[in-house]
Amino acid sequence: SAVISQKPSRDICQRGTSLTIQCQVDSQVTMMFWYRQQPGQSLTLIATANQGSEATYESGFVIDKFPISRPNLTFSTLTVSNMSPEDSSIYLCGLDSGGSLDEQFFGPGTRLTVL
Amino acid sequence: AQSVAQPEDQVNVAEGNPLTVKCTYSVSGNPYLFWYVQYPNRGLQFLLKYITGDNLVKGSYGFEAEFNKSQTSFHLKKPSALVSDSALYFCAVRARTYKYIFGTGTRLKVLA
Repeated sequence: SAVISQKPSRDICQRGTSLTIQCQVDSQVTMMFWYRQQPGQSLTLIATANQGSEATYESGFVIDKFPISRPNLTFSTLTVSNMSPEDSSIYLCGLDSGGSLDEQFFGPGTRLTVL
Repeated sequence: AQSVAQPEDQVNVAEGNPLTVKCTYSVSGNPYLFWYVQYPNRGLQFLLKYITGDNLVKGSYGFEAEFNKSQTSFHLKKPSALVSDSALYFCAVRARTYKYIFGTGTRLKVLA
């Protein structure tokens, strides 16, 4: 399975600032995903990031708030913009295993606290 | 609409006893079903999946799950629980698209 790393692993940020989270994979993947896991809750898909095209956002998430880059097949970033305490969550990147396996793999997550 | 339900927020079980973590789903078409585990301060780890074939699926760390189409369930089981199994468990369903729908999670606590 692919090795997925995320930076930073955690951060504490002030209201109104922005944070960019990086996701690096050790192999080329077509589809990468960004999820949010709010405290005590399940994972919610924010958007799908494909290389060479704009990200596809889920209902309730917009590009101005969560801009995503996907410059190549092994890397993606998610920015949380103009943060508020409600953005305090764990943010995870994920990717499809591809082929016939069908499971997704996830990075270790970035724990964000907004004061 | 597709959905996944994990009716128990927490399950407590004594070490050595069998454990069951429940999951039911609602999806049109044939479902792909998954179980993931999340340990504190770590990402999700894949445990097992049901795509097709035998209804009893075996996965990592001695876990297994039984797919029951008539009851639309995919309960996670283990014959003998370990304290180290204590974690947060997520059931997920995937149908026709690449998107996952996750359940709300069940916290398993294995008591020594």
